[in-house]
Amino acid sequence: DAGVIQSPRHEVTEMGQEVTLRCKPISGHDYLFWYRQTMMRGLELLIYFNNNVPIDDSGMPEDRFSAKMPNASFSTLKIQPSEPRDSAVYFCASSFGTGLAKNIQYFGAGTRLSVL
Amino acid sequence: AQSVTQPDIHITVSEGASLELRCNYSYGATPYLFWYVQSPGQGLQLLLKYFSGDTLVQGIKGFEAEFKRSQSSFNLRKPSVHWSDAAEYFCAVGVSNFGNEKLTFGTGTRLTIIP
Repeated sequence: DAGVIQSPRHEVTEMGQEVTLRCKPISGHDYLFWYRQTMMRGLELLIYFNNNVPIDDSGMPEDRFSAKMPNASFSTLKIQPSEPRDSAVYFCASSFGTGLAKNIQYFGAGTRLSVL
Repeated sequence: AQSVTQPDIHITVSEGASLELRCNYSYGATPYLFWYVQSPGQGLQLLLKYFSGDTLVQGIKGFEAEFKRSQSSFNLRKPSVHWSDAAEYFCAVGVSNFGNEKLTFGTGTRLTIIP
């Protein structure tokens, strides 16, 4: 398996623009997580899905952020409009919900977002 | 709610020396415990995990960790570090409730290796 795939790896945009980050989880995994990592706040869980359904979005910072998972192999995190303080590395991770592999999250390489 | 504390923000170790990174957790029941490593510009990679059973767990790259319930700790150790071990290390705790798959991560410890 190719692992969790995120695109793009780097995104530079101007304040006010819409940004869409993409994630393809590992095939067969039923949980998908979106994290944000900054120097100031460390690694923060934004939202996670189970079987394509959002379970906990309490970490989403504000209404400018939205996430969708239209099917088991694809998820997006959208920021509209983007602001400079959204600059961070965004990670996607996936996991199995049962069995010995339960709770083991596999991370993508991340998307480094810079909002100018 | 569970929480994780990594008291050391930055540790510097000489190549070939032993290493211990500290992790303390807070959770009412038996937790699932993890150590992840993040190399610069990369995502997090699982080093090892503790679910149950033997409290000393072995991981990849020669790392091990010991679960000590009485001290609520899960410290990561390596007998002899290599320059390639320079990275950031994260301890994480998960819960055993079915359907709750969240992991709570510590703030990380940055490891620097000097020649």
